[in-house]
Amino acid sequence: DAMVIQNPRYQVTQFGKPVTLSCSQTLNHNVMYWYQQKSSQAQKLLFHYYDKDFNNEADTPDNFQSRRPNTSFCFLDIRSPGLGDAAMYLCATSPGGTSSPLHFGNGTRLTVT
Amino acid sequence: GQNIDQPTEMTATEGAIVQINCTYQTSGFNGLFWYQQHAGEAPTFLSYNVLDGLEEKGRFSSFLSRSKGYSYLLLKELQMKDSASYLCAVKDSNYQLIWGAGTKLIIKP
Repeated sequence: DAMVIQNPRYQVTQFGKPVTLSCSQTLNHNVMYWYQQKSSQAQKLLFHYYDKDFNNEADTPDNFQSRRPNTSFCFLDIRSPGLGDAAMYLCATSPGGTSSPLHFGNGTRLTVT
Repeated sequence: GQNIDQPTEMTATEGAIVQINCTYQTSGFNGLFWYQQHAGEAPTFLSYNVLDGLEEKGRFSSFLSRSKGYSYLLLKELQMKDSASYLCAVKDSNYQLIWGAGTKLIIKP
């Protein structure tokens, strides 16, 4: 089945220790997104790619970076995680198009100790 | 600023009907999406409305009124597995998705 896969499902890191979250897709979608989701809050878009064109949201902290080496893979790097970065990180894809829904991975739950 | 409002939490009884409301204030409108998200899982797509009116899909229906900036998701014949968060999202004039914080629906036997 075509899908969006995020690894790992759960990630524990120490304060200030760099961490990388990964996302892969077999849907061959042009657009990939990284969202941060915290309890009782609207999920926040961090970045998105349209093919290789990178779009950084204005309020995404510099601490967060992303890479998309090819169509199938996308990475989220957190250079120096703080306690406030503990959240669920969701990767999503879309073929593009106004009515196209997003297809989400199961997320990575990040804990910062 | 752009805003999506949904109730934080709702409770309903198994077998009953529940309506989850969503109001939005966005710069432009290019469609409204509803997603379901079970705890610890990915959001999954439920419906898309771009024209006024009701879209029915089995036990779930979604309604849109663009003039009122209002949508609702109607769930009929509630089942325990419908316990989840329901997310409303609007595409604005720049085709950016604006998300609500979600409504947590609790189903009681």
